[in-house]
Amino acid sequence: GAVVSQHPSRVICKSGTSVKIECRSLDFQATTMFWYRQFPKQSLMLMATSNEGSKATYEQGVEKDKFLINHASLTLSTLTVTSAHPEDSSFYICSAQRGTERYEQYFGPGTRLTVT
Amino acid sequence: GENVEQHPSTLSVQEGDSAVIKCTYSDSASNYFPWYKQELGKRPQLIIDIRSNVGEKKDQRIAVTLNKTAKHFSLHITETQPEDSAVYFCAASKNRGSTLGRLYFGRGTQLTVWP
Repeated sequence: GAVVSQHPSRVICKSGTSVKIECRSLDFQATTMFWYRQFPKQSLMLMATSNEGSKATYEQGVEKDKFLINHASLTLSTLTVTSAHPEDSSFYICSAQRGTERYEQYFGPGTRLTVT
Repeated sequence: GENVEQHPSTLSVQEGDSAVIKCTYSDSASNYFPWYKQELGKRPQLIIDIRSNVGEKKDQRIAVTLNKTAKHFSLHITETQPEDSAVYFCAASKNRGSTLGRLYFGRGTQLTVWP
């Protein structure tokens, strides 16, 4: 099956600092990547859709200046949480669409962000 | 936009029994309905999916049914095992050709299978 990796798996940072999370598709080219946030015992909330070579499309209520997304290549998308605050602590998960012929999304293992 | 409702929120069954999770959606243009299994602290895993041109799909102990008229789809797990215990999410999306639409997720169902 398709493999999507994320790095780091866990990160602890202080309030006011920025954190970068990487999402990579390891064995396929991902035309579209998605970034989700998941709070404990809740569903996945889509933050933004990332297309290679173009600006990300953010969901309503998600601050684009706070959550910077860069889809630099067909195998890499990054999410930078700028000026992080404790309320940004969450599980961040990316997913990638495999090619343009199939609808399946494959998820990365997630990044647990804790802001102190 | 699309609204996906999922029921029940929790489900407990005895090992060997069947489990059924139901979802409804609001947008009749949605055409792709995946189901994901998520264990605690891990990534959602695609377990089965169905497209709107199919009414039923089966993969060993797992099956999904789709009723487009009623706009609902269900996950059926037969002969449940303790390792089936996890949170299950349904989702719906609207795809056009090679353009993948965003997934709208249900709230999830915590399935517990007792040995």
